[in-house]
Amino acid sequence: DGGITQSPKYLFRKEGQNVTLSCEQNLNHDAMYWYRQDPGQGLRLIYYSQIVNDFQKGDIAEGYSVSREKKESFPLTVTSAQKNPTAFYLCATGQGAAGYGYTFGSGTRLTVV
Amino acid sequence: QKEVEQNSGPLSVPEGAIASLNCTYSDRGSQSFFWYRQYSGKSPELIMFIYSNGDKEDGRFTAQLNKASQYVSLLIRDSQPSDSATYLCAVGYNQGGKLIFGQGTELSVKP
Repeated sequence: DGGITQSPKYLFRKEGQNVTLSCEQNLNHDAMYWYRQDPGQGLRLIYYSQIVNDFQKGDIAEGYSVSREKKESFPLTVTSAQKNPTAFYLCATGQGAAGYGYTFGSGTRLTVV
Repeated sequence: QKEVEQNSGPLSVPEGAIASLNCTYSDRGSQSFFWYRQYSGKSPELIMFIYSNGDKEDGRFTAQLNKASQYVSLLIRDSQPSDSATYLCAVGYNQGGKLIFGQGTELSVKP
């Protein structure tokens, strides 16, 4: 089955730790995106990538980093510089053009303990 | 700064009624418009998309687009309790295929 796999589903981070959220897709989509959602709010774009080995910052990139070494994979690292990381993180894929919309993964819920 | 605005709600309608959800956007260069449904604790799922002015119907759902007034709406006919969710409006731009999302409208359908 084609789809997007995000792992883990729940993640707990201690103060000062870096953590990495995984996103893998087998839809053969060129573009991949990371969004953050806070309670009662919409989705805010963190980073996106249209092709392998290239990515761009979104609206709230500070404290996050990404890589795109393979078409199928777009991991997101939440660094210790991100002071308020508790949120629901969503990975999405698209065909790189505005008309197609996104397919979303099931999300990772990150909590700082 | 491209913006997408929605009433946050909650919007409460009785079962069987029509639910009307509205969205406005700031950039006239917007090219595509999407409605996503998000159940509590789950990821968004695409339910409608529209590109041209006018109405587009799919089952109980109708999307309406008015580019001159820069608004897009979603009508849900014969609302069911299972329609209770947050509805996210998203606007697409060719730059990177990015979507800009509104903050979502919470819909509650009462039996």
